[in-house]
Amino acid sequence: DAGITQSPRHKVTETGTPVTLRCHQTENHRYMYWYRQDPGHGLRLIHYSYGVKDTDKGEVSDGYSVSRSKTEDFLLTLESATSSQTSVYFCAISSEVLNQPQHFGDGTRLSIL
Amino acid sequence: GENVEQHPSTLSVQEGDSAVIKCTYSDSASNYFPWYKQELGKRPQLIIDIRSNVGEKKDQRIAVTLNKTAKHFSLHITETQPEDSAVYFCAARIFGNEKLTFGTGTRLTIIP
Repeated sequence: DAGITQSPRHKVTETGTPVTLRCHQTENHRYMYWYRQDPGHGLRLIHYSYGVKDTDKGEVSDGYSVSRSKTEDFLLTLESATSSQTSVYFCAISSEVLNQPQHFGDGTRLSIL
Repeated sequence: GENVEQHPSTLSVQEGDSAVIKCTYSDSASNYFPWYKQELGKRPQLIIDIRSNVGEKKDQRIAVTLNKTAKHFSLHITETQPEDSAVYFCAARIFGNEKLTFGTGTRLTIIP
């Protein structure tokens, strides 16, 4: 299994509070991704990173920010959480070798009350 | 951008029978097509992938076919077993782009 650790695995918080999710990899892969998974929507890309300090938006980036200060860590921040951001969040990684698959972490279940 | 449609959304199959899940994509520049299996409460896991320079790939009971002209690809599972019950996702990636676009998933149930 790819060396990906997401933390925390579960979190319950209140509307309006800031939340940061962490993804840590031990594979030294260049690309890292944050997805959210909701019933009926599959996996939707929030943000991704193609190197240290290099990030770009995905299809559902509003309300989220990311940072990557080290190759191994990719942080997802909800500056002011809303109930619509209740979801399961997955981190994924892939190498820079052409046409390699993405491998996923175990996910973080986030509930915003 | 790429758009991927996946059908059916749910599929029930008798144990031992075959299951087929189909996906279509919109961008002819897509050249990489992975399939993921997700068991309840678990992470998506890659089960098979295909690149646009081949039309079919097999791995034991699982096979994927690709029709570039029609822009669709399919997952075939033969001799289904109870442990095949899961949600399956297809995805597509445009050449030169590191982002995957996922289908909305198929919940496969194997009936004993």
